[in-house]
Order: sequence, then structure tokens, then C-alpha cells
Amino acid sequence: SQQGEEDPQALSIQEGENATMNCSYKTSINNLQWYRQNSGRGLVHLILIRSNEREKHSGRLRVTLDTSKKSSSLLITASRAADTASYFCATDPTGTASKLTFGTGTRLQVTL
Amino acid sequence: DTEVTQTPKHLVMGMTNKKSLKCEQHMGHRAMYWYKQKAKKPPELMFVYSYEKLSINESVPSRFSPECPNSSLLNLHLHALQPEDSALYLCASSQVSLLAGVVEQYFGPGTRLTVT
Repeated sequence: SQQGEEDPQALSIQEGENATMNCSYKTSINNLQWYRQNSGRGLVHLILIRSNEREKHSGRLRVTLDTSKKSSSLLITASRAADTASYFCATDPTGTASKLTFGTGTRLQVTL
Repeated sequence: DTEVTQTPKHLVMGMTNKKSLKCEQHMGHRAMYWYKQKAKKPPELMFVYSYEKLSINESVPSRFSPECPNSSLLNLHLHALQPEDSALYLCASSQVSLLAGVVEQYFGPGTRLTVT
């Protein structure tokens, strides 16, 4: 399997705290994307970082990419209960998104 | 309209039944995808259509038969499924980028399939 690994598998934090999840992958990439999935629903695209970028921000999201270590991290700052979901990284080797490979996912629980 | 719709939301079928899943998008995307997702696992790619032609089949058993009748519609025909095929089936769409660019996939809410 070419699946990436994410850690932690599960993360429980309180509202207002920051959440960090990590993704490691095996093959070379054009870009890496992060998606969120609410329980039993479809995935929603959050943010994309190209292989020549090291850091990217979008609202409360910050993503980093280290291609030498084949790893990425997603930071959610000032978490809210509505952030409770599963988060998946997905690697795109060609930039065409025709064959995304999803990581194993991190289940985030944000409690009040 | 940035929505991908899927019908039905839930489907229960016996192992001898024939059923179909439907996916629709009106974003002008010319790439459409079927994924299978088991509980607490990531989505696994099944099929990719590009310009209404099947471009990727990830060695999916023939009891799953995809069809792309036009650029907005994607079907997945199911026949003689096994209980282990029970899963969430997700449809997605995206632009077709021939040059390496910024392409993201838009997902539908999925069809929860139970095979009895």
C-alpha cells in the first residue's frame, strides 16, 4: 500500500486549544492536500501545499511541508467544537489530482 | 454551484440484487471518481473517469460496474455483492489539469451501502 501514515490516530482536546496532526508519506509529490470528514459524510478540502512550499496559512489552519523528511503537519489554532472530525492528508504525485493517496487519518475530538 | 450530490443516501441490498448508485455535479468538472471507504479507514480509489472515459480502474471486482453517461453524471452499478462490500461509497469530481497545477477534489456526501 502507498498509503501515508498519520499520527496521532486520535486526538482529544478542549475548545480553545491548538491541535496538531502529522502526516508522513512514501513517494515524491507535486502537492499535498488536507481534507476534513465529518462523521460518515463526504470529505471537504481544507488546504493545499505545493512541493516547493514550506508553509501555508488559511484562517486558523497552518500547514507545513518537509519534502526531505516526506512529512507534513496541520495545525488548527483556537479549536472549536465544530472542528470535531477526521482529518486526512492526501498526496498528489502529478498535480492533476487524478490519483490522490489518502493517509490513515486523525480523529479529532474537541470538547467544550 | 459547488455541490456534488449522491443518491441514495442509504442502500440495503441482498447479495442477489442489482442496484445503482448515482452521482451528479454541475461544476463543469470533467474528472469524476468513485471511492470506497470502510469505517475508520481512509477512502480507497476505485475508478477515475476523465472526459467521460474510464482512465483508472484500481483492480476493482467486476461486480462493480461504473458508467459515465455524460459530463455531469456518474453511476456505479452493483450486482452480486458480498457482505464485505458494505461501506460508504464516495463520489468526487475535479477539473482535469493536463499541466501540474492546483487541483482539488470535491466530494459528495456518500452512499452508505449495506449488503445482507
